[in-house]
Amino acid sequence: KNEVEQSPQNLTAQEGEFITINCSYSVGISALHWLQQHPGGGIVSLFMLSSGKKKHGRLIATINIQEKHSSLHITASHPRDSAVYICAVALSETSGSRLTFGEGTQLTVNP
Amino acid sequence: GEEVAQTPKHLVRGEGQKAKLYCAPIKGHSYVFWYQQVLKNEFKFLISFQNENVFDETGMPKERFSAKCLPNSPCSLEIQATKLEDSAVYFCASSQAGGSYNEQFFGPGTRLTVL
Repeated sequence: KNEVEQSPQNLTAQEGEFITINCSYSVGISALHWLQQHPGGGIVSLFMLSSGKKKHGRLIATINIQEKHSSLHITASHPRDSAVYICAVALSETSGSRLTFGEGTQLTVNP
Repeated sequence: GEEVAQTPKHLVRGEGQKAKLYCAPIKGHSYVFWYQQVLKNEFKFLISFQNENVFDETGMPKERFSAKCLPNSPCSLEIQATKLEDSAVYFCASSQAGGSYNEQFFGPGTRLTVL
């Protein structure tokens, strides 16, 4: 069983829909990151959070430490949001801040 | 610089040849991380540095992989005697400081193909 699991693996939506991607982890963490990998391969850090909720534009990330669960929401989705969204955690038992990654969610937003 | 730079973008090697990848972290960042992405979404941590010192090397295959971060030079990841299974995209990331609450900024990656 992976330490970080994401769902769904693939998600197809119509433009304008509200998107939710989920991440569950089975170990103690210090922080959780949401990353976006573009079709060309580049990786962008979207959020880093250890509690509560963060919002940036149309993106919202939440985390529930007790339930070991985080969600990434995209409001008013757009075709340019099509990418792989990756949840990654910094485990509290490891030294430093190396990340352990989920398998990613492939999001396709159709016009 | 303002972005993590990685060179080369693509690297093709015959099995058994050496491969060397480079990473220039963002200026002022003292931590560098190397990750290997095999297949589409499978990331593996390799090694991290605090300035020129190895910070965490628990992910490194010790036999053929080595890495350095020397002062005033790009960091490097070297694979001696490459194998087919080394084919992957290698990402470098840097962060301003260590600890779990620091954002990591990723480079564009180097795609290594071993034939």
